[in-house]
Amino acid sequence: DIQMTQSPSSLSASVGDRVTITCQASQDINNSLNWYQQKPGKAPKLLIYDVSNLETGVPSRFSGSGSGTEFTFTISSLQPEDIATYYCQHYDNLLFTFGPGTKVDFK
Amino acid sequence: QVQLQESGPGLVKPSETLSLTCAVSGGSIRSYYWSWIRQPPGQGLEWIGYMSYSGSSNYNPSLKSRVTISLDTSKKQFSLELSSLTAADTAVYYCARARNSWYSVNFDYWGQGTLVTVSS
Repeated sequence: DIQMTQSPSSLSASVGDRVTITCQASQDINNSLNWYQQKPGKAPKLLIYDVSNLETGVPSRFSGSGSGTEFTFTISSLQPEDIATYYCQHYDNLLFTFGPGTKVDFK
Repeated sequence: QVQLQESGPGLVKPSETLSLTCAVSGGSIRSYYWSWIRQPPGQGLEWIGYMSYSGSSNYNPSLKSRVTISLDTSKKQFSLELSSLTAADTAVYYCARARNSWYSVNFDYWGQGTLVTVSS
């Protein structure tokens, strides 16, 4: 089975900061990589699919990149409403796997 | 606008079977994977399984022996049964719609989640 890891597990940043989260797969996952945002007490929300495609309605300050086994999620300028936990997710061979999450809060 | 709404008991006894239902409104039930995902308090997301319109299904190997997901297309709802419950099954349970994209399958619509506590 493919394992997904995320780093860091948590980070603190200021409004306007550039925030970067990494998701690593235990083997090549061929662009099957999606990113979600989950605010406290709410359901996750799809932000980015297939590594770098922005879901409809998602602000352009969110972006994704990467290939093979290493992928990056970036918030170009952190806003107050971006405080949340972010998860990567992979699909392969009829199985879905989530990363452990990265909690983003304010310094 | 697609909406998903979970329903079911909030408290279940150990060793019993949990039954949850997710009602789908505002969209077609065809061409998607109808899924259940859970999140224990303070922890991450765990995919439980899915059922597709065509009748195919798959489950998380760690839960497979205890899980059944069914789909009622006439009622536009799908259900989860999880048997032999223990305290470790205490979680918020989400229903979600999974769709195909070019390289992957991702969850584009989610229910609000329902907290299920396993306790005597």
